[in-house]
Amino acid sequence: KNEVEQSPQNLTAQEGEFITINCSYSVGISALHWLQQHPGGGIVSLFMLSSGKKKHGRLIATINIQEKHSSLHITASHPRDSAVYICAVHTGTASKLTFGTGTRLQVTL
Amino acid sequence: KAGVTQTPRYLIKTRGQQVTLSCSPISGHRSVSWYQQTPGQGLQFLFEYFSETQRNKGNFPGRFSGRQFSNSRSEMNVSTLELGDSALYLCASSLIPMGNTEAFFGQGTRLTVV
Repeated sequence: KNEVEQSPQNLTAQEGEFITINCSYSVGISALHWLQQHPGGGIVSLFMLSSGKKKHGRLIATINIQEKHSSLHITASHPRDSAVYICAVHTGTASKLTFGTGTRLQVTL
Repeated sequence: KAGVTQTPRYLIKTRGQQVTLSCSPISGHRSVSWYQQTPGQGLQFLFEYFSETQRNKGNFPGRFSGRQFSNSRSEMNVSTLELGDSALYLCASSLIPMGNTEAFFGQGTRLTVV
């Protein structure tokens, strides 16, 4: 079993829909990152969380440390949100990130 | 402020050759981490450097090595290339060793081994 699990693996939504991507992890962490990867390959860091909730524009990320679970929400989705969203955790015992397998999001008109 | 720069963007090499990839972090960032991304294994940690010292290494064979220079620029080297080394290699920089700090990723170097 992977230390970091994401769901769903693939997601298709219509423009304007509210989207939720989930991330569960099985180890103790000191921080969780949400990353966005477009088809060109480059990765953009969206959020880094160690507790609570963060919001940036139409994106909201939450984390529940006790339940070892985080969610990424996209409100009023747009085709430009189409990308792979990756959850990654830092366990604190080593300065490396462990990644989920990613959620491929396609937003259509 | 310039972002993380990786060179080259694309590379084609033959089995058995060696390759060197470069990563220039954001100005002022002293930590650089390297990752390999393949369709089968996803993103996997290779190694991390901070102030010219390797702080951590992932589970990769000794053919994979790296170093960091005094200006924080980092290189990774893969010797005796195998077909399975074909991947997108990403580096990320941060002010301090990654974890409780935001990471900034480069565009990656796509390596194809034929």
